[in-house]
Amino acid sequence: AQSVTQPDIHITVSEGASLELRCNYSYGATPYLFWYVQSPGQGLQLLLKYFSGDTLVQGIKGFEAEFKRSQSSFNLRKPSVHWSDAAEYFCAVEQNAGNMLTFGGGTRLMVKP
Amino acid sequence: GAGVSQSPSNKVTEKGKDVELRCDPISGHTALYWYRQSLGQGLEFLIYFQGNSAPDKSGLPSDRFSAERTGGSVSTLTIQRTQQEDSAVYLCASSFGLAAAYEQYFGPGTRLTVT
Repeated sequence: AQSVTQPDIHITVSEGASLELRCNYSYGATPYLFWYVQSPGQGLQLLLKYFSGDTLVQGIKGFEAEFKRSQSSFNLRKPSVHWSDAAEYFCAVEQNAGNMLTFGGGTRLMVKP
Repeated sequence: GAGVSQSPSNKVTEKGKDVELRCDPISGHTALYWYRQSLGQGLEFLIYFQGNSAPDKSGLPSDRFSAERTGGSVSTLTIQRTQQEDSAVYLCASSFGLAAAYEQYFGPGTRLTVT
């Protein structure tokens, strides 16, 4: 069965600092990978996705992620964090049928002024 | 345009009562999904619809859970004889089609509290 692991439950960074959120997946074939963000009281919003091709994908809000097959990872990065980036971030993998998503446990990001 | 809407936004119910949660997908989206977000289980998939059909109901946690979709639009998730472990945020999403190329758009969720 597919699984997604986000090793960091909480991360705190200072505003303006760089950010990397880790995601590891377990999947037999080439996965479809996603990062979503959930702000307090809001629904999930898609930041970016990887299907194939260039392993570095750009998303909204200045985020990017890199697919590394050898490490089974899809880490999310941002060069300079803004206070408004404080939220919970979820990595997800598509299941085989029906585009059902399997989510990691989430990483809650706090931003210090 | 209008996004995915869910109602009610909050629902408090007594243990043993039945509840219905409603999802209005984005117009024209043929695929609809239900997920549950709880402290203990994280975000978990429940069921999906392609049109009015739900081919796989194995993600539903128990036979107290059922879902239907009518007219290829509105969907209702029904929980019978609610239990405290059903307390969670129930999220609905819709997409233009089933392929991964189609982004899932999520609603704000219904927070269910079973007392």
